[in-house]
Amino acid sequence: AQSVTQLGSHVSVSEGALVLLRCNYSSSVPPYLFWYVQYPNQGLQLLLKYTSAATLVKGINGFEAEFKKSETSFHLTKPSAHMSDAAEYFCAVTDNTNAGKSTFGDGTTLTVKP
Amino acid sequence: GAVVSQHPSRVICKSGTSVKIECRSLDFQATTMFWYRQFPKQSLMLMATSNEGSKATYEQGVEKDKFLINHASLTLSTLTVTSAHPEDSSFYICSARTQGLAGGETQYFGPGTRLLVL
Repeated sequence: AQSVTQLGSHVSVSEGALVLLRCNYSSSVPPYLFWYVQYPNQGLQLLLKYTSAATLVKGINGFEAEFKKSETSFHLTKPSAHMSDAAEYFCAVTDNTNAGKSTFGDGTTLTVKP
Repeated sequence: GAVVSQHPSRVICKSGTSVKIECRSLDFQATTMFWYRQFPKQSLMLMATSNEGSKATYEQGVEKDKFLINHASLTLSTLTVTSAHPEDSSFYICSARTQGLAGGETQYFGPGTRLLVL
């Protein structure tokens, strides 16, 4: 079984401040982990993914995430928030034992204040 | 990058009618497509997994006779909501994945279809 917990359904930061969105996972096998962003009334866009290569993964738009096995975490960060980062963010986990299906977290709404 | 399209982007229909939603992978062959449902302010709920040339695998609690899925080619999957009712109103999103080691490939998401049943 696999699961994802996103801590904090809403995160608010000021423009230029650090963005930290938390994700903890549970998986019985080595996981593949993903972060997606969703803008209103749109599908999901992949920000980055971890597939057992480097533990620090760099994605698009300046985002990065670090896989920490000991903490079962895959938190998403960005050094300096931009107004355009305001969106819904989803963490997801997949593994080979589940036909490649992904399990998504409940999402975190990021608000960026001017 | 890989592009997945969905058509229509939004549809309004009367209760009791059927609605077909298309999901196409535009520049790659998708051996597997997933159909999700998303309620406002909520996460994605997987409805079914669709593999080209075979029957879809539905998640527990999803009525296969109500949500008909067809994956006739490597670039097209369709979801038909039969005898739609107001409670079927939702945002439906598909994703497509290429063949390979299950789990590690990227899922490419369509832009979604907003269904409103009156």
